[in-house]
Amino acid sequence: ELKVEQNPLFLSMQEGKNYTIYCNYSTTSDRLYWYRQDPGKSLESLFVLLSNGAVKQEGRLMASLDTKARLSTLHITAAVHDLSATYFCAVDKNEKLTFGTGTRLTIIP
Amino acid sequence: EAGVTQFPSHSVIEKGQTVTLRCDPISGHDNLYWYRRVMGKEIKFLLHFVKESKQDESGMPNNRFLAERTGGTYSTLKVQPAELEDSGVYFCASSQRAGGEETQYFGPGTRLLVL
Repeated sequence: ELKVEQNPLFLSMQEGKNYTIYCNYSTTSDRLYWYRQDPGKSLESLFVLLSNGAVKQEGRLMASLDTKARLSTLHITAAVHDLSATYFCAVDKNEKLTFGTGTRLTIIP
Repeated sequence: EAGVTQFPSHSVIEKGQTVTLRCDPISGHDNLYWYRRVMGKEIKFLLHFVKESKQDESGMPNNRFLAERTGGTYSTLKVQPAELEDSGVYFCASSQRAGGEETQYFGPGTRLLVL
């Protein structure tokens, strides 16, 4: 059974700081996704990572994938308040997503 | 382009009653998925349709849950009879085709509370 571990669960950080969210998974996968969810809203797709060494960046967020280590990271650079949300990684195996627990990120002014 | 829509947004029912959730995928998306998140747990896969056919229903918890997608457009998820542990948020997602960098687009969810 595929297991996905995401940490930390909660992250409170000051504006302007950098931090990384980690996502480990237990078996090989087809794709890895990062999603963002604002309270009461749907999950918004941020990144889709396919291959080993893949790196994608959008604004202050950068995601990477190491399939050999079965690890993905979501790096936040110079955080700003509007990045406050819950972030999920999800591993796709045969089009079935297995989600991590989510990281609730709060950016403090 | 409209996103994935779900109806209702909230539902409060009593144990033993029946509830039907509806999902309208993005137009042209053949793949439709149901997921749910019960309190304090991860988001879990329920099932996957390709057009009107069930591709994978390995996540359906028991036979009180019935999903349909007649005509390959919208889908319904019926819970009958509902139990307390069915409370949670039910998400629907859709994608155009499998493979590559195609993402699953999620709806806002239906929040179900069984009393």
